[in-house]
Amino acid sequence: EAGVVQSPRYKIIEKKQPVAFWCNPISGHNTLYWYRQNLGQGPELLIRYENEEAVDDSQLPKDRFSAERLKGVDSTLKIQPAELGDSAVYLCASSLVRPLGDEQFFGPGTRLTVL
Amino acid sequence: QKEVEQNSGPLSVPEGAIASLNCTYSDRGSQSFFWYRQYSGKSPELIMFIYSNGDKEDGRFTAQLNKASQYVSLLIRDSQPSDSATYLCAVIRFSGGTSYGKLTFGQGTILTVHP
Repeated sequence: EAGVVQSPRYKIIEKKQPVAFWCNPISGHNTLYWYRQNLGQGPELLIRYENEEAVDDSQLPKDRFSAERLKGVDSTLKIQPAELGDSAVYLCASSLVRPLGDEQFFGPGTRLTVL
Repeated sequence: QKEVEQNSGPLSVPEGAIASLNCTYSDRGSQSFFWYRQYSGKSPELIMFIYSNGDKEDGRFTAQLNKASQYVSLLIRDSQPSDSATYLCAVIRFSGGTSYGKLTFGQGTILTVHP
């Protein structure tokens, strides 16, 4: 079974430039998550999708971040414009909803460096 | 107070010893508890999860949960150098009568197993 796929793996941009990350979840997983992980910290949830619906985007900085999940499968996370503080690893995860909590499977992540 | 707290370490143990990793959480409504392992430069991978008070064993790993003390731990028996990684504790709290819960991570504990 293929895992969560993310691209690109690495991205270096200058501040104020736009950037986009792509995620393809595990086949059949209806829930998709985007996390941001800063160095030495645990992942922090940015947005969670249930099929096509964003059910929790309370942590997404909406002034510069946007996300979409077309047809309830692939998802794209965009930052425009990027700031120096956005440098981090952006992780995508997917899961099946289970009664006592989802077992989330993470992709390899995109390491973003903003210069 | 952070929602999920872990000693960032590093925790250093000799090969063959028991490694004990600890995690406390602030929300008494937390219901499910997860341990993830993250190798340097890699994404988190689920080791095990626990819902009920007491111990849960899986191979060399034992998770322990004490909801009254708001404490969850992970014991690794017969530690191997390949266990050297960052261990992330995560908790879920459900709300609104749904099965959707937000996974909140601690900052992780760095474990080093030396030969």
